[in-house]
Amino acid sequence: QVQLVQSGAEVKKPGASVKVSCKASGYTFTTYSIHWVRQAPGQRLEWMGWINGGTGNTRYAQKFQGRVTITRDTSASTAYMELSSLRSEDTAVYYCTRESQSSRYITSSDYWGQGTLVTVSS
Amino acid sequence: DIQMTQSPSSLSASVGDRVIITCRASQSISSYLNWYQQKPGKAPKLLIYAASSLQSGVTSRFSGSGSGTDFTLTISSLQPEDFATYFCQQTYSTPQTFGQGTKVEIK
Repeated sequence: QVQLVQSGAEVKKPGASVKVSCKASGYTFTTYSIHWVRQAPGQRLEWMGWINGGTGNTRYAQKFQGRVTITRDTSASTAYMELSSLRSEDTAVYYCTRESQSSRYITSSDYWGQGTLVTVSS
Repeated sequence: DIQMTQSPSSLSASVGDRVIITCRASQSISSYLNWYQQKPGKAPKLLIYAASSLQSGVTSRFSGSGSGTDFTLTISSLQPEDFATYFCQQTYSTPQTFGQGTKVEIK
């Protein structure tokens, strides 16, 4: 069965960086893209960026440009999201998701990781 | 960015009720609209994709409709396990954006 398993909770100080991993299993990693989405307390879900599992091409939300880097290791079937220059507003649960594409090329997130809480506090 | 607005933000309903949640996009998104269910402390779960297609394994109590800017999620007969928060998502353009959520509570 398809699973996305994320790394554990992190506590970071302002200005630091965090790197969250997402290990995929149950499918061929290189045939699907992985997205990263975050959910701050009481806020709506927020899309951060995407990586093509096969080509490694990435695209980021403008809000996070210059601060976020998404990579993947195909040999480990794992995607990574690194966020730098952390501030208190980055405190959130971070999710990786697998992109599914319908017959009409409409995408959705059909599988989600369990979420990783990142707390930014001095 | 495309803004997604759900209504209502919360509702109280009883088991067996028919529940309708709406989602409006700030511009036309064709059928690039998905619905998710989220329970406290859990990741969202895909219910409906491409506005009206039921995700595999999801009960047929859930249905979706709409295109362009106006969409609805309908729960035909609310069950105890359906009490949760529901989100819409547009994938028409980057960045993908989500609605603020609709919390369905027990009356």
